[in-house]
Amino acid sequence: GNSVTQMEGPVTLSEEAFLTINCTYTATGYPSLFWYVQYPGEGLQLLLKATKADDKGSNKGFEATYRKETTSFHLEKGSVQVSDSAVYFCALRNTGGFKTIFGAGTRLFVKA
Amino acid sequence: DAGVTQSPTHLIKTRGQQVTLRCSPKSGHDTVSWYQQALGQGPQFIFQYYEEEERQRGNFPDRFSGHQFPNYSSELNVNALLLGDSALYLCASRRGLDRGTEQYFGPGTRLTVT
Repeated sequence: GNSVTQMEGPVTLSEEAFLTINCTYTATGYPSLFWYVQYPGEGLQLLLKATKADDKGSNKGFEATYRKETTSFHLEKGSVQVSDSAVYFCALRNTGGFKTIFGAGTRLFVKA
Repeated sequence: DAGVTQSPTHLIKTRGQQVTLRCSPKSGHDTVSWYQQALGQGPQFIFQYYEEEERQRGNFPDRFSGHQFPNYSSELNVNALLLGDSALYLCASRRGLDRGTEQYFGPGTRLTVT
């Protein structure tokens, strides 16, 4: 079946450090891939998306590239800020478009 | 333009009781999905409604049921509550069923079953 696996947290970084959160997926067909962010006490927000192989999604300095050959969609940011502290969820939606499958989430702490 | 709204914000119920949660989608959206997010976990898909019909269902028992109204708003009903039903319930809306369309989430309803 379809699934998403992301690196376990928490991830603790100093401000201005480079961030990578790994995400791999299992799916039939050609899924769309998403990263969502959940700030403390808030709901889920879409951070970025990619709908086909080799697409790069980007937003607020975050980037992720849809790699079909490695079934991956790793999230990266060149210089994190304290305000980036949140839980990040990788997700996929497969052909048919009915449900979104989420990973377990990775908590990021950024220290000043 | 209001985003996705949910009510109530918090709810405390006793085992065996029934609960109804409500969701109003973002303006222009006609598809509503419900998710259960247990503490420290990712959201789990419960079901999705489009054109007032349940289109797909996740691995949840029949105690979980829903409805979509002609104005696209939706309700989630849970009967015979168990302690394990305690979670954040998220509603999400989008336009249509294409796999690439963006989905917007509401702030959630925190359900505590005692």
